[in-house]
Amino acid sequence: AQKITQTQPGMFVQEKEAVTLDCTYDTSDPSYGLFWYKQPSSGEMIFLIYQGSYDQQNATEGRYSLNFQKARKSANLVISASQLGDSAMYFCAMGPSDYKLSFGAGTTVTVRA
Amino acid sequence: SQTIHQWPATLVQPVGSPLSLECTVEGTSNPNLYWYRQAAGRGLQLLFYSVGIGQISSEVPQNLSASRPQDRQFILSSKKLLLSDSGFYLCAWRWALNTEAFFGQGTRLTVV
Repeated sequence: AQKITQTQPGMFVQEKEAVTLDCTYDTSDPSYGLFWYKQPSSGEMIFLIYQGSYDQQNATEGRYSLNFQKARKSANLVISASQLGDSAMYFCAMGPSDYKLSFGAGTTVTVRA
Repeated sequence: SQTIHQWPATLVQPVGSPLSLECTVEGTSNPNLYWYRQAAGRGLQLLFYSVGIGQISSEVPQNLSASRPQDRQFILSSKKLLLSDSGFYLCAWRWALNTEAFFGQGTRLTVV
């Protein structure tokens, strides 16, 4: 069975600073994908970044980067230069080869001016 | 381009009444389809997913069911709603293992 753990229920970050959101996962499937999503208060789910289990380099998308440590089974999201609009809930998700896609409990990020 | 439609946006239903939420995808074929439920301020709980017509995988035993009568249509149903069925229901689709899922706008269900 697969499991995704996000241990930080809420975080505060100062505007323009970087923040790291933790995500660990557990799976016996050698082939899987890791995803991060942002959910603002409106409820929409916004895809941020993807990392494949066989990717050699950490994924980056603009101000988002994924710190992938396969041996530790962790896929932390780093948001650089935080903006007020980054205040939202952030979810880590994992999709193994059976097409199941499961999410963690989420981390609420509040950016302070 | 691909789009996903989910309706209704909000729904208030009495306890014991039936439920039918519909989700359709346009602009792609053979999508993988998902139903999630989210309690207020909580994570997404995977309810069902489908890799093809008539193929439904259930993740959580409960009084909900799902069906996929057509390639791009995914329906979430209940014969008798419980108070605990209240929540934010999200439908999603994705094309392949290494692609992201795209979500509908969600349905806020309140069972009274």
